[in-house]
Amino acid sequence: GAGVSQSPSNKVTEKGKDVELRCDPISGHTALYWYRQSLGQGLEFLIYFQGNSAPDKSGLPSDRFSAERTGGSVSTLTIQRTQQEDSAVYLCASSFSRGFPYEQYFGPGTRLTVT
Amino acid sequence: AQTVTQSQPEMSVQEAETVTLSCTYDTSESDYYLFWYKQPPSRQMILVIRQEAYKQQNATENRFSVNFQKAAKSFSLKISDSQLGDAAMYFCAIGLMDSNYQLIWGAGTKLIIKP
Repeated sequence: GAGVSQSPSNKVTEKGKDVELRCDPISGHTALYWYRQSLGQGLEFLIYFQGNSAPDKSGLPSDRFSAERTGGSVSTLTIQRTQQEDSAVYLCASSFSRGFPYEQYFGPGTRLTVT
Repeated sequence: AQTVTQSQPEMSVQEAETVTLSCTYDTSESDYYLFWYKQPPSRQMILVIRQEAYKQQNATENRFSVNFQKAAKSFSLKISDSQLGDAAMYFCAIGLMDSNYQLIWGAGTKLIIKP
């Protein structure tokens, strides 16, 4: 079956512009996560959606970052007024439900470069 | 705060030999899960192996096994009969029941397989 897909694969933008990153989770997965991976680092949690519950936004680094999930499926991560420190790979993951031992399935990520 | 430390930025091993990747963590929680993920150049994170903290028996998955030392807060990954396809970044992560099941990640170890 289809895995988690993300688009675009790569995005180059100028400092100050807004960007939207898209995640299409595995069908039937109720939980969706966004992570940021900076060069040479592990993953940094950004935001988590579970069904119709209010998202856990505790990992968002600033109010320039926001995310939504429409219809319990596709999610969009928006970064406003991008800064060079936003350059990273943004990974999306989905799972059947919240918690363990539910495995998180990852997409291939979007590499964002802010010039 | 929870932390995960991978002290080996890079490891190399001859094909068909065995290699061990180290991971230590710090948490005051008693209920948690530990994970090893593999990230090949395609960027897609793939779950390698998972260990429940309450289980004393070390998890194994084909050529992959862990040495889980709960008192020492150590969770190393052993790869037996290394194959060229094992070349990737390997990340250790801890998942806590009380933190919305977020995963806290180490910085990763780059594994090089020599033919």
